Amino acid sequence: DADVTQTPRNRITKTGKRIMLECSQTKGHDRMYWYRQDPGLGLRLIYYSFDVKDINKGEISDGYSVSRQAQAKFSLSLESAIPNQTALYFCATSQGLGTEAFFGQGTRLTVV
Amino acid sequence: QKEVEQNSGPLSVPEGAIASLNCTYSDRGSQSFFWYRQYSGKSPELIMSIYSNGDKEDGRFTAQLNKASQYVSLLIRDSQPSDSATYLCAVLGGDMRFGAGTRLTVKP
Repeated sequence: DADVTQTPRNRITKTGKRIMLECSQTKGHDRMYWYRQDPGLGLRLIYYSFDVKDINKGEISDGYSVSRQAQAKFSLSLESAIPNQTALYFCATSQGLGTEAFFGQGTRLTVV
Repeated sequence: QKEVEQNSGPLSVPEGAIASLNCTYSDRGSQSFFWYRQYSGKSPELIMSIYSNGDKEDGRFTAQLNKASQYVSLLIRDSQPSDSATYLCAVLGGDMRFGAGTRLTVKP
């Protein structure tokens, strides 16, 4: 089993629908991140969390919200999906300051 | 605005050559630097981390860091076709930011 698991792996949804992407980890890491990846734009940070009570906006948080339900779970919601939110979404975790991030398998989201 | 810039590529090198990938960053408070490799449609995977000025070698890979110039690079020696991928530079300050990536193709 993967240490960082994202569900669903693929999702097609309609404009205006609410959708939640889920991330769970078994690494015991405190820090969790959500990124989106678009062709030619690399990984852009949406939200990050250093612990259950700490949530921070990243570069492109507009249109997104997150919930850190437990140390191991970090969910990303699109309240009203729009087509330009079509992208590959990655969850990542890291342990403490200065350490590398470990990524989930990604969720490919298409908004039609 | 924290920015991480990478040479745009794409970069193409023949098998056995040295591939050089470059990255600059804007946040002087950044302390940790990483290179990730990403194959198409897959997750990024860590190949190198570097924390202090100078060179760090791991097999065919060498990372170089110059904090004064806010510059980090990755050299891949004896490039192999299996090295063909997108390479992402990541910079960790308060959060972790990535560059847009450089697509490397190693031609047999």
